[in-house]
Amino acid sequence: DVKVTQSSRYLVKRTGEKVFLECVQDMDHENMFWYRQDPGLGLRLIYFSYDVKMKEKGDIPEGYSVSREKKERFSLILESASTNQTSMYLCASSLSGGSNEQFFGPGTRLTVL
Amino acid sequence: GESVGLHLPTLSVQEGDNSIINCAYSNSASDYFIWYKQESGKGPQFIIDIRSNMDKRQGQRVTVLLNKTVKHLSLQIAATQPGDSAVYFCAEILVNRGFKTIFGAGTRLFVKA
Repeated sequence: DVKVTQSSRYLVKRTGEKVFLECVQDMDHENMFWYRQDPGLGLRLIYFSYDVKMKEKGDIPEGYSVSREKKERFSLILESASTNQTSMYLCASSLSGGSNEQFFGPGTRLTVL
Repeated sequence: GESVGLHLPTLSVQEGDNSIINCAYSNSASDYFIWYKQESGKGPQFIIDIRSNMDKRQGQRVTVLLNKTVKHLSLQIAATQPGDSAVYFCAEILVNRGFKTIFGAGTRLFVKA
């Protein structure tokens, strides 16, 4: 079974803090994604990566950056957290080609005070 | 613009009845669609997919129907069970845009015992 794990289930940070959200997948997937999920807005893509050291902006990249130094790990970084970044963050991975089914982690609920 | 939307934000059904969750999409160039189920406290999980050259696909207790003429997708769940209570998302995959996935806002399904 594919397993996607996220470093924290719940996180509380203060405005201006630098925040790291870590995601690890164990099935050698090429593609990895970071989404945020807000009520009524569904999943919105922040960044994605198709390979190591490769990153592409999604629909809402502002205020975020990412790092993919190893194939299994994809990190989301909030350089200076703001209250409007309070959200549920979901990481996903997928194989290239095929149905492109994405396998999701359990999510990290981030609260920025 | 692109959008994948759902007709109803919530759906309440009696246990044992059939459920129908609807989804409208706007991009006629989409290549296939995926339905995801998200239970409370978990990330979305793949249920079933359908390619754009099909109009129906069946799985275990689930059927997805695709009507490209009106850009409409539906998920039918037979003999709905309490364990089916969740939020259901449709997602649209655009192969010619780097396999971009667009998620709908989600429909919450309540199953009454």
